[in-house]
Amino acid sequence: DVKVTQSSRYLVKRTGEKVFLECVQDMDHENMFWYRQDPGLGLRLIYFSYDVKMKEKGDIPEGYSVSREKKERFSLILESASTNQTSMYLCASSDGTRGGETQYFGPGTRLLVL
Amino acid sequence: LAKTTQPISMDSYEGQEVNITCSHNNIATNDYITWYQQFPSQGPRFIIQGYKTKVTNEVASLFIPADRKSSTLSLPRVSLSDTAVYYCLVAPLYGNKLVFGAGTILRVKS
Repeated sequence: DVKVTQSSRYLVKRTGEKVFLECVQDMDHENMFWYRQDPGLGLRLIYFSYDVKMKEKGDIPEGYSVSREKKERFSLILESASTNQTSMYLCASSDGTRGGETQYFGPGTRLLVL
Repeated sequence: LAKTTQPISMDSYEGQEVNITCSHNNIATNDYITWYQQFPSQGPRFIIQGYKTKVTNEVASLFIPADRKSSTLSLPRVSLSDTAVYYCLVAPLYGNKLVFGAGTILRVKS
């Protein structure tokens, strides 16, 4: 079974802190994704990576950056956390070059910014 | 980008068939339609994917009419454990522009 793990299930940070969310997948997948999930808004794509050191902006990249130095690891960085970034963050991975390929999700990180 | 619209919530009883419809009027030629299920405190999980007509697996069926402007996820004989949020995803063949619907909360009652 594909396994996608996220470094923390819950995080509490203060406004202005730099926050790192880590995601690791064990199936040698090409693609990795970061989403945020908010009530009534579903999942919204923040960033997408289709290869090591390659990234593309999703629908809501403002206030976020990403890093993919190794194929299995995709990090989401909040350079200066703000209260409006309080949310559930979900990482996913998929194989191949098609966006329609099945995505495998991690359990999520619930971030609270005070 | 193909925007999707789903009902916010649905209620059902155990043993009934449940149909959840997703509207995607401006779906592109290369878009696939995928449905995911999400339980509380978990990430979404793939249920079924299709391009046109009908697809069936051990969990669900997916009906896509000829114009592909909508799709219907059908869950046969639901149980209490099917209570979850169901997402409709329209994904292009290439690229990263993925569009999740807002999700449908399905509540199954005994």
